[in-house]
Amino acid sequence: SQTIHQWPATLVQPVGSPLSLECTVEGTSNPNLYWYRQAAGRGLQLLFYSVGIGQISSEVPQNLSASRPQDRQFILSSKKLLLSDSGFYLCAWGRGSDTQYFGPGTRLTVL
Amino acid sequence: AQSVAQPEDQVNVAEGNPLTVKCTYSVSGNPYLFWYVQYPNRGLQFLLKYITGDNLVKGSYGFEAEFNKSQTSFHLKKPSALVSDSALYFCAVRAVNDYKLSFGAGTTVTVRA
Repeated sequence: SQTIHQWPATLVQPVGSPLSLECTVEGTSNPNLYWYRQAAGRGLQLLFYSVGIGQISSEVPQNLSASRPQDRQFILSSKKLLLSDSGFYLCAWGRGSDTQYFGPGTRLTVL
Repeated sequence: AQSVAQPEDQVNVAEGNPLTVKCTYSVSGNPYLFWYVQYPNRGLQFLLKYITGDNLVKGSYGFEAEFNKSQTSFHLKKPSALVSDSALYFCAVRAVNDYKLSFGAGTTVTVRA
């Protein structure tokens, strides 16, 4: 069966510091991978998605970036965090246009 | 462009009563429709989906949803709600062959004992 991991689970960072969030998927190959942000426990905003290694599509221009160095690894990064980057970050995987399955999430607080 | 509307921010029901969470959608062509549930500080859990076929879809934990093409709706239902069903519910839509899901704003369900 497939499993999706995210770490860290919780992160508190000062404004202006760098960020690296990691997501890995087990039990499948060549998945589509997604990064979402959820603010205030409500709606989800798609940030990035990837259909293959090195292929990243950005949905929202901002100070975040994403990379996919390996087939089942998806990384969300920032060089300098803003207060507005605080939120709950969710990684998801899917195959083609089928169901997306979500990871446990990372709670990011920028102070 | 595709979109989802969940017209109710909150739904409150008594345990044992039927539960309905409403969802309407807009998409070009045939839709793929999904329901997810989220418990506090957790990721989204997949409940059920409609791709094609029978308009009544059965999913996890006793939930079901009815696809209505003429009303562009996909309401989530449970015949007898449990206190443990209290959570945030999201409806989502994608177009055929699209990788991206569009989510509704979510509906908070509270089931009182």
